[in-house]
Amino acid sequence: DAKTTQPTSMDCAEGRAANLPCNHSTISGNEYVYWYRQIHSQGPQYIIHGLKNNETNEMASLIITEDRKSSTLILPHATLRDTAVYYCIVKSGGSNYKLTFGKGTLLTVNP
Amino acid sequence: KAGVTQTPRYLIKTRGQQVTLSCSPISGHRSVSWYQQTPGQGLQFLFEYFSETQRNKGNFPGRFSGRQFSNSRSEMNVSTLELGDSALYLCASSLPGRSAPGELFFGEGSRLTVL
Repeated sequence: DAKTTQPTSMDCAEGRAANLPCNHSTISGNEYVYWYRQIHSQGPQYIIHGLKNNETNEMASLIITEDRKSSTLILPHATLRDTAVYYCIVKSGGSNYKLTFGKGTLLTVNP
Repeated sequence: KAGVTQTPRYLIKTRGQQVTLSCSPISGHRSVSWYQQTPGQGLQFLFEYFSETQRNKGNFPGRFSGRQFSNSRSEMNVSTLELGDSALYLCASSLPGRSAPGELFFGEGSRLTVL
């Protein structure tokens, strides 16, 4: 699975949009981009995933560039409860359920 | 719908002992994965089971083992505990064929402290 690069930390004001970038320049055609987050001392939580098109669900939006070398997770109206470590993961499809977590981005939402 | 349940939540062992951790996946989920999380190494994949068979294995010594039962519940065992085995052990379940391969549902974890 392709390697990802994320900033170590980011800050965001409560109520504003949080835009978390991820670089995955070596991504191959059959690899998906997944986003998870982990609130302190809890298990990781799946947020969203995508292949080529932009995706949106009740939690967030995922914007993938046309060349697929980078993506951005958008939390439209960040709240204090969104403070967490956010992981961007690239993995292929198929029956391999192994996820390779990097160090992620610590997002701190400030009041 | 109940989530992934892990027991025990906290436990303390001494070096040389062994430990067994349990995971009950979401009802209907047949794939169960285990991860180890430490401050130094982050989240690392241990192994994955599907239909009582180990499908994938991470780079951990043979002291780490697991199994899955016919009801999809899973256990992992660590023998001859070392101080470095102190970690949060996370279990995740998935529904192959209905969920994307990377869409896992994690439990709250079992926090193991080795003294």
